[in-house]
Amino acid sequence: DTGVSQDPRHKITKRGQNVTFRCDPISEHNRLYWYRQTLGQGPEFLTYFQNEAQLEKSRLLSDRFSAERPKGSFSTLEIQRTEQGDSAMYLCASTTGVGTNEKLFFGSGTQLSVL
Amino acid sequence: DQQVKQNSPSLSVQEGRISILNCDYTNSMFDYFLWYKKYPAEGPTFLISISSIKDKNEDGRFTVFLNKSAKHLSLHIVPSQPGDSAVYFCAASVPGTYKYIFGTGTRLKVLA
Repeated sequence: DTGVSQDPRHKITKRGQNVTFRCDPISEHNRLYWYRQTLGQGPEFLTYFQNEAQLEKSRLLSDRFSAERPKGSFSTLEIQRTEQGDSAMYLCASTTGVGTNEKLFFGSGTQLSVL
Repeated sequence: DQQVKQNSPSLSVQEGRISILNCDYTNSMFDYFLWYKKYPAEGPTFLISISSIKDKNEDGRFTVFLNKSAKHLSLHIVPSQPGDSAVYFCAASVPGTYKYIFGTGTRLKVLA
């Protein structure tokens, strides 16, 4: 069990550029989440997958954001035409539990800075 | 609309004393709650959880209490240690989904 892995750890980009982040969940976990966290706030839900199916997407997520999990294993989160307001920590989490045994395992996050 | 609220942004406690972190929620349908700890530049780490069928769950130095009528839960850490200094988040499971909503966090500082 190597834990949830996220790449890159840090990304600095200029406004208007596209960025893509990768998440590798714990291998047997079939559910994968993306959250965003800004300073002084808690993790904010963006979207989640059950295997390769994207089951819910936050209405706060603009159409510049897209996430995929093509084979039900790793996932990517792409942000097109980045804006300064996109600067945040992007967290990935995975789980396989159900009900009272469920807990999310988080990666270390990707810190995005949009200049 | 913040459905999970942590009204104390920060808390300082002496080493060896009890730390009590509070969390309030607005949706009475929430039925499962979790606490996470987060160090700088790391992802949140699971601490303890509680189902709405219970009012208390204990794991070592950590105990979570749930008061459903008040829509309130608290995390007790006793005795507090300097290594407990971190940001603590409570989270609630949204019924009928696999989504979790997090509070804004409380920064705990344990003074040696």
